[in-house]
Amino acid sequence: EAQVTQNPRYLITVTGKKLTVTCSQNMNHEYMSWYRQDPGLGLRQIYYSMNVEVTDKGDVPEGYKVSRKEKRNFPLILESPSPNQTSLYFCASSSGQSRGTDTQYFGPGTRLTVL
Amino acid sequence: EDQVTQSPEALRLQEGESSSLNCSYTVSGLRGLFWYRQDPGKGPEFLFTLYSAGEEKEKERLKATLTKKESFLHITAPKPEDSATYLCAVQARGIKAAGNKLTFGGGTRVLVKP
Repeated sequence: EAQVTQNPRYLITVTGKKLTVTCSQNMNHEYMSWYRQDPGLGLRQIYYSMNVEVTDKGDVPEGYKVSRKEKRNFPLILESPSPNQTSLYFCASSSGQSRGTDTQYFGPGTRLTVL
Repeated sequence: EDQVTQSPEALRLQEGESSSLNCSYTVSGLRGLFWYRQDPGKGPEFLFTLYSAGEEKEKERLKATLTKKESFLHITAPKPEDSATYLCAVQARGIKAAGNKLTFGGGTRVLVKP
């Protein structure tokens, strides 16, 4: 089954304790992104990757890092989490940029609480 | 700055009562407009992509239309299983489309009562 998976699905942590949220897709997609969803602010892009070793900032990259060492994986790293990073996080992937291939498919989400 | 506004914020319908959701957008060159459905605690599920004004797409009880300033999602004779939040997003042309970035609206929460 074609899917985007994320782990963990739920995480409660404390300020300053480094964490990684993993994302994996089995569709051989080139493009992967991370979004966060907050009430009243909608979904906002954090980082994206257009291929292995190619990553760039989205709209809200502060406090986050990413890496893309393999095509299928795109982990999100919070080196020193703060309470304002409490949010619902989604990973998404798409196969290309032309019509019909630019649809992003989303993972199930990771609910992060930083105390 | 690209902007997407969805209305209404919430919609309560009786089963069978058709209605429309609005998505107004401002973008410096539209590349594509996307509709997603999101159930509580789940990720957005892709419904439609519209690329050009005048384009229409249908899927079961849902029909999406696009003009140069807005898109509508029409729900015909809805059933309780159509209850969800419906999200609209735009993709701009050029460098802003890098990574297939989507700019989302706030969503419309739809509740269909039996």
